[in-house]
Amino acid sequence: GAVVSQHPSWVICKSGTSVKIECRSLDFQATTMFWYRQFPKQSLMLMATSNEGSKATYEQGVEKDKFLINHASLTLSTLTVTSAHPEDSSFYICSAASGGNEQFFGPGTRLTVL
Amino acid sequence: GDSVTQMEGPVTLSEEAFLTINCTYTATGYPSLFWYVQYPGEGLQLLLKATKADDKGSNKGFEATYRKETTSFHLEKGSVQVSDSAVYFCALSGQSTGGGNKLTFGTGTQLKVEL
Repeated sequence: GAVVSQHPSWVICKSGTSVKIECRSLDFQATTMFWYRQFPKQSLMLMATSNEGSKATYEQGVEKDKFLINHASLTLSTLTVTSAHPEDSSFYICSAASGGNEQFFGPGTRLTVL
Repeated sequence: GDSVTQMEGPVTLSEEAFLTINCTYTATGYPSLFWYVQYPGEGLQLLLKATKADDKGSNKGFEATYRKETTSFHLEKGSVQVSDSAVYFCALSGQSTGGGNKLTFGTGTQLKVEL
């Protein structure tokens, strides 16, 4: 199947700093990328949907000014957690899809904010 | 809104035992249903899916049948192996606010298979 990578796989940062997470589709062009957040022992919650070349659409309750999403090319989307705080510590997972087809998931990024 | 409920884990089985992981859903319309598997240190992988009522999805010995009357999509395997140890997620597809298929996930069920 198609391969999606995320970088970094884990990151530790100080409160108040910003962190950027990259999501890449390695062998296909992703017209749509999704960003999810997963808390321990909970399900993946969709944060936003990103279509290449347009602004991301955020799910209800997700702060768009805090979680900045850029989808500048068909193979790369980035999520920037701005002014991170300990409550933002979580597992962030992206997925990529071509057209309305199956989503392929990245391995996730563990963010810990001290 | 859409929701998925699946049995809590961890589920611990001996090799060659029969596996059932229950999954029920609530949704508007007629969603597609999925089972994803997450092996340690890896991303979610699609295990199987069913797109309409009474469809049976199957892969690697796993099966699940889309039951509209009971709004269920239980995962089964007749004989599990140690290599099946992973976290299993039930999910359904709907429409995201940004367009495209939005996946709503259950909480995941960890399966441990022992020799």
